[in-house]
Amino acid sequence: GAVVSQHPSWVICKSGTSVKIECRSLDFQATTMFWYRQFPKQSLMLMATSNEGSKATYEQGVEKDKFLINHASLTLSTLTVTSAHPEDSSFYICSAPDRLSSYNEQFFGPGTRLTVL
Amino acid sequence: GESVGLHLPTLSVQEGDNSIINCAYSNSASDYFIWYKQESGKGPQFIIDIRSNMDKRQGQRVTVLLNKTVKHLSLQIAATQPGDSAVYFCAETPVSGYSTLTFGKGTMLLVSP
Repeated sequence: GAVVSQHPSWVICKSGTSVKIECRSLDFQATTMFWYRQFPKQSLMLMATSNEGSKATYEQGVEKDKFLINHASLTLSTLTVTSAHPEDSSFYICSAPDRLSSYNEQFFGPGTRLTVL
Repeated sequence: GESVGLHLPTLSVQEGDNSIINCAYSNSASDYFIWYKQESGKGPQFIIDIRSNMDKRQGQRVTVLLNKTVKHLSLQIAATQPGDSAVYFCAETPVSGYSTLTFGKGTMLLVSP
């Protein structure tokens, strides 16, 4: 099946700094990618939909100026957490649908564990 | 907003038993349902899916049942193995491409040897 990677797999940063997380579709092109956030023992919550060549669509309650999304190519979307604070510590997961799969099946990345000190 | 929910947060079974994980959904417009397995520290892994025009679909050791009348979805795992221990999520989406997924709360499955 299609493969989605994320980098880094984990990151620790100081409060107030910015962190960039990359999501790549390795063997297929993705005009759309999705970013999720998952707190411990909770479900995945959709943060935003990343669209190649256009602005991302953010879910209600997600600050677009804090979570910057750039989908510069058909295989790469980046999520930048700006001025990170401890409450931003979470597991961030991206996914990408593969046009060639049934029902545009979404393939998930392995996640990025962000810890803000 | 509408959401997908689960009845059991934790399910403990013995190796070799059959497991049943349930999910209730509320969006009657959903047309496509997926079960995911998530191991600790990893991203969700696709298990099996089902369209709303079906009521049952079988895979290898797994079966998904869909009851649209009561908006209920279940995942059956036959001969559960320790490697099946993980959190299982159901997810729903309207049909058509690039639709967003709405995830249920998740059920932790613990399989004892």
